[in-house]
Amino acid sequence: IAGITQAPTSQILAAGRRMTLRCTQDMRHNAMYWYRQDLGLGLRLIHYSNTAGTTGKGEVPDGYSVSRANTDDFPLTLASAVPSQTSVYFCASSAGTRHNEQFFGPGTRLTVL
Amino acid sequence: AQSVTQLDSQVPVFEEAPVELRCNYSSSVSVYLFWYVQYPNQGLQLLLKYLSGSTLVKGINGFEAEFNKSQTSFHLRKPSVHISDTAEYFCAVSDGSSNTGKLIFGQGTTLQVKP
Repeated sequence: IAGITQAPTSQILAAGRRMTLRCTQDMRHNAMYWYRQDLGLGLRLIHYSNTAGTTGKGEVPDGYSVSRANTDDFPLTLASAVPSQTSVYFCASSAGTRHNEQFFGPGTRLTVL
Repeated sequence: AQSVTQLDSQVPVFEEAPVELRCNYSSSVSVYLFWYVQYPNQGLQLLLKYLSGSTLVKGINGFEAEFNKSQTSFHLRKPSVHISDTAEYFCAVSDGSSNTGKLIFGQGTTLQVKP
């Protein structure tokens, strides 16, 4: 089934630990995005990638890093997790231009203790 | 920078009643506007989008939205809601500062449909 998959579905993590959230799409979309969703704040863009091999910072990039080695995968890494990174993380993809809709994955619920 | 404001954090409404969810965006030369819906414990899915042309846009599940350039608004409406419409709704605008697909989202509105 075409779409976006994210792993893990949920995770409880000790502060200071390193964590990588995985995201894979099979729609051959050029652009991919990582958002965090927090109550009352909507979705905020963490990092994005317009095409394989390029990445850019979003609204809230601090404490996160991404890579885009190929078209399909866009992992998000927390080098040293902190409690303020407790959130629901969504990966999305789009064909890349301003009028294209974004397709969202099911999300990863992360709790940092 | 572009911004989006959803004026209501929660909208309670009875089943079969009409509903309007409000969205305002900051001014820009040209914008593309989107409404997404998020059902509990799921990702977001597109309801409708405005790119150009007719200011009244129809989407899935009987929703529609009207683009009003003078008021910089893009309010979402449905004439008769169902219990299954209970969800979080997000308004989003394309980032006018670039040609990429980056979106700026509003804070979300929770639609609670009561029997």
